[in-house]
Amino acid sequence: AIRMTQSPSSLSASTGDIVTITCRASQGISSYLAWYQQKPGKAPKLLIFLASTLQSGVPSRFSGSGSGTDFTLTISWLQSEDFATYYCQQYYTYPPTFGQGTKLEIK
Amino acid sequence: EVQLVQSGAEVKKPGESLKISCKASGYSFTSYWIAWVRQMPGKGLEWMGLIYPGDSDTRYSPSFQGQVTISADKSTSTAYLQWSSLKASDSATYFCARPQGGSGMVGWFDPWGQGTLVTVSS
Repeated sequence: AIRMTQSPSSLSASTGDIVTITCRASQGISSYLAWYQQKPGKAPKLLIFLASTLQSGVPSRFSGSGSGTDFTLTISWLQSEDFATYYCQQYYTYPPTFGQGTKLEIK
Repeated sequence: EVQLVQSGAEVKKPGESLKISCKASGYSFTSYWIAWVRQMPGKGLEWMGLIYPGDSDTRYSPSFQGQVTISADKSTSTAYLQWSSLKASDSATYFCARPQGGSGMVGWFDPWGQGTLVTVSS
């Protein structure tokens, strides 16, 4: 199975900051990568698919980039509602696999 | 609106059986795979397996093969995840989710059910 590694595992930031989360695949996955946001006690919410395509309804301050093995999720102008845990997921090949998560906390 | 609604929280004892559900609405249930994802307390997301309700084709992650059974009922548009003998280590939140894009079986997940918390304790 393809291993997905996110960095950092946790991150402290302030409202208004720009933050970047990285996801690395153990082998090339083209652009078959999704990003999710999860808040405590809630289901994950799809933010981005195909590495950079924003899901309908997701604010434009979220953006994704990358292809092959290295990907980034960038959140510009952090808002209070953005403090959550973020996961990447590859769907290039079966079985789909997730990164271990990045917890974004308020500084 | 495409929606997955899961059954409520469960508290069980080790050795008991359990079947949790995921009811789909707003789309053709038999035309899309449905997957199950485990999240242990304070941990990340683990893909368990999935089913194609159209023909009941079922696949499991090696980590969960033989530990759980995934099924679906076309008449009620409901997918199920069941255990025959629960262990304390099965305590977790379980999500159903629909893969999209990709190959159909492997894709990004949207929507997700709200999650079912399973607690196994003596």
